[in-house]
Amino acid sequence: AQTVTQSQPEMSVQEAETVTLSCTYDTSESDYYLFWYKQPPSRQMILVIRQEAYKQQNATENRFSVNFQKAAKSFSLKISDSQLGDAAMYFCAYSTLYSGGGADGLTFGKGTHLIIQP
Amino acid sequence: KAGVTQTPRYLIKTRGQQVTLSCSPISGHRSVSWYQQTPGQGLQFLFEYFSETQRNKGNFPGRFSGRQFSNSRSEMNVSTLELGDSALYLCASSLLHPDTQYFGPGTRLTVL
Repeated sequence: AQTVTQSQPEMSVQEAETVTLSCTYDTSESDYYLFWYKQPPSRQMILVIRQEAYKQQNATENRFSVNFQKAAKSFSLKISDSQLGDAAMYFCAYSTLYSGGGADGLTFGKGTHLIIQP
Repeated sequence: KAGVTQTPRYLIKTRGQQVTLSCSPISGHRSVSWYQQTPGQGLQFLFEYFSETQRNKGNFPGRFSGRQFSNSRSEMNVSTLELGDSALYLCASSLLHPDTQYFGPGTRLTVL
């Protein structure tokens, strides 16, 4: 079974600065998806970014980018120019590409609580 | 395009009762997944439905069940509620299986 580990329960950053959230995962599969989701106090889970394992290029969405190191099984999220609205729980998630056979949906890390200091 | 909707948003039940939660996916999405979120266990996968068929099931007791209708709307049912079933239940939909999942706002279930 796959596992996802987020070693930083909480991070704090000054507004307008850059912060990096860490995520490592364990899998025996060669193809898979990785995601970062954001969950603000409203509890609505919002997709931040997606990375396909077969793509060497790191995904980018505006101020959000990832550093995907497949061999190291590492998938960190960088948030540039942090804004107050970025304050939330951030979850790293793994998704197998293989249908059926007991695939387990999304496997989530425990989350990192990101605090933005004004 | 409207997002994933879940009803009801809040629910209070007592031990031993049963509950049904509803999820309407994004239009055109055929896969619906359910997750349970608790402070202690985090986010855990319950089950996934695709074209009215259960494709995958997480490690939950048989009290947790679900179904999907021909219009892709899904319901999950929990029978004989226990205090430990108190949680936020999240529904997510995706166009295909597997694919990026988009989440609804959740149903907060409190069991007294």
